[in-house]
Amino acid sequence: DAGVIQSPRHEVTEMGQEVTLRCKPISGHDYLFWYRQTMMRGLELLIYFNNNVPIDDSGMPEDRFSAKMPNASFSTLKIQPSEPRDSAVYFCASRRTGGGEETQYFGPGTRLLVL
Amino acid sequence: QKEVEQNSGPLSVPEGAIASLNCTYSDRGSQSFFWYRQYSGKSPELIMSIYSNGDKEDGRFTAQLNKASQYVSLLIRDSQPSDSATYLCAVLDSNYQLIWGAGTKLIIKP
Repeated sequence: DAGVIQSPRHEVTEMGQEVTLRCKPISGHDYLFWYRQTMMRGLELLIYFNNNVPIDDSGMPEDRFSAKMPNASFSTLKIQPSEPRDSAVYFCASRRTGGGEETQYFGPGTRLLVL
Repeated sequence: QKEVEQNSGPLSVPEGAIASLNCTYSDRGSQSFFWYRQYSGKSPELIMSIYSNGDKEDGRFTAQLNKASQYVSLLIRDSQPSDSATYLCAVLDSNYQLIWGAGTKLIIKP
């Protein structure tokens, strides 16, 4: 069974450009999470979805960040315009409801560098 | 604000010894507790979950939970160099939100 898939794995862009990160959760999982990880701030939850509906976006740092989940198998995180301080590793994770199983499964991450 | 606290380390342990990683949490209504391992440049992966007071063993790993003290720990027996990683404690709080600690960097010295 395929795990969480993220693309691209690496992204280098210039300040002011739009960046779009993509995620395909594990089939059958109804929760999807977007995280950002830096050395200074550790792992931060940006936003999460349940059944494709955004539930909590309080972690989204600014209006420059937006996320969508048009269907159960695809989500995007967009940064427009990007800034150097957005440089981080962005992880997508998913999990399913029920059965006492709350484990989140992480994708490989997207390493973003904004110059 | 709900918090999960971990010593950032690094924690250096000789090969073959027991590594002890600790985590405290602030929300007394927390439900579930997780230990994730993250190798450098990789994503976090679950190694242990624990839901009730006491010990839970899985191979060389033992998770310990004490809800009264709001304390969860991870013991790694017979530590191997391949155990060198950052260990993240995560706690599912009373609002069903997963709160993450900053992680402890563990170094196993051959």
